[in-house]
Amino acid sequence: EIVLTQSPGTLSLSPGERATLSCRASQSVTSGYLAWYQQKPGQAPRLLIYGASSRATGVPDRFSGSGSGTDFTLTITRLEPEDFAVYYCQQYGGSPPGYTFGRGTKLEIK
Amino acid sequence: EVQLVESGGGLIQPGGSLRLSCAASGFTVSSNYMSWVRQAPGKGLEWVSLIYSSGNTYYADSVKGQFTISRDNSKNTVYLQMNSLRAEDTAVYYCARVIRQNFDYWGQGVLVTVSP
Repeated sequence: EIVLTQSPGTLSLSPGERATLSCRASQSVTSGYLAWYQQKPGQAPRLLIYGASSRATGVPDRFSGSGSGTDFTLTITRLEPEDFAVYYCQQYGGSPPGYTFGRGTKLEIK
Repeated sequence: EVQLVESGGGLIQPGGSLRLSCAASGFTVSSNYMSWVRQAPGKGLEWVSLIYSSGNTYYADSVKGQFTISRDNSKNTVYLQMNSLRAEDTAVYYCARVIRQNFDYWGQGVLVTVSP
């Protein structure tokens, strides 16, 4: 089973700053199967990025994803107040089918 | 508009059973992959189960043999039958549609609490 390690655990930044979140996999991940989610307190997760770098419908262009193999990054340029939340990466493994999530990065207001 | 609405959660004693329902609208569950994902209080996300459009089903090792995913095409609803519940099954359970092996739409979640 592929383990996803997210860092940092908590990131403290101010609105307007740039956020860089990391997701490292224990084995190579097919890029088409790496996604990022945002979760706010009391809400369900929201898909932000799929296929490592494609934005989901309605996601602002200040969110971008990059990476391949075992190292992936979610970047948020110019943080808005509504961006402070927990972010999870997720991968799909095909044999047998299954999904794993990272433990999350909490993005908090500094 | 795509919507997923879970129901069936609540307080259950250890060893008990519960069936969660996920009513879908705006799309057809039988033509899609559907999944359950859970989140223990204050913890991260854990994938639980998957049902393919073909009807094939898959489970996380932590629930294999204990949980069963199914669907009723006539009701456009997905279910999660949970048996022999333990304290560690306490979580919010989310139903989600799977597209390109990602979870693109989620329900609001339903809380299952396993406690004496």
